[in-house]
Amino acid sequence: AQTVTQSQPEMSVQEAETVTLSCTYDTSENNYYLFWYKQPPSRQMILVIRQEAYKQQNATENRFSVNFQKAAKSFSLKISDSQLGDTAMYFCAFPNNNNDMRFGAGTRLTVKP
Amino acid sequence: DTGVSQDPRHKITKRGQNVTFRCDPISEHNRLYWYRQTLGQGPEFLTYFQNEAQLEKSRLLSDRFSAERPKGSFSTLEIQRTEQGDSAMYLCASSLAFLPDYGYTFGSGTRLTVV
Repeated sequence: AQTVTQSQPEMSVQEAETVTLSCTYDTSENNYYLFWYKQPPSRQMILVIRQEAYKQQNATENRFSVNFQKAAKSFSLKISDSQLGDTAMYFCAFPNNNNDMRFGAGTRLTVKP
Repeated sequence: DTGVSQDPRHKITKRGQNVTFRCDPISEHNRLYWYRQTLGQGPEFLTYFQNEAQLEKSRLLSDRFSAERPKGSFSTLEIQRTEQGDSAMYLCASSLAFLPDYGYTFGSGTRLTVV
């Protein structure tokens, strides 16, 4: 089964600065997607960004970008110009045999004013 | 369409009681998923439906748990004879059938507390 590992339980960053959240995964598949989800204190999970494995170009969504290294099975999330509203749990997620999504344990990010 | 709706938002029950949660997915989404999330952890997969068919169940889904999705619309998750270990957030999500392209849309969850 595919596994997803987030090794940073908690991180903090000063407002307006940049922070990178790490994620590694394990799979034997060649074509797949990877996702980062955000879960604010209100608890509803929101899709932040997704990456298609066959694309070499890293995905970008406004202040959010990924550093996808397929050979290393690494999928980190970079948040630029951090805002107070970015405070949340962040989960890296990976489809399991195209049937369901498997999530990492999460990284709790706190943006400090 | 207002997204994925879950009801109730919170449920407190005594150990041994039965509880039922409801999820209304996005109307055009044919897949519906149930996850369980304990405090400080990532969501854990329980089961999913494609239309009305329940296609996969996790080993986490013990015999006390049952899920249905009649007519491929809303879904219910029932827990019988609740135990304190069942206390968690139960998340519902929906998607179009080909998951990898679109990801999920989640509901706000039902927080269950078993006392």
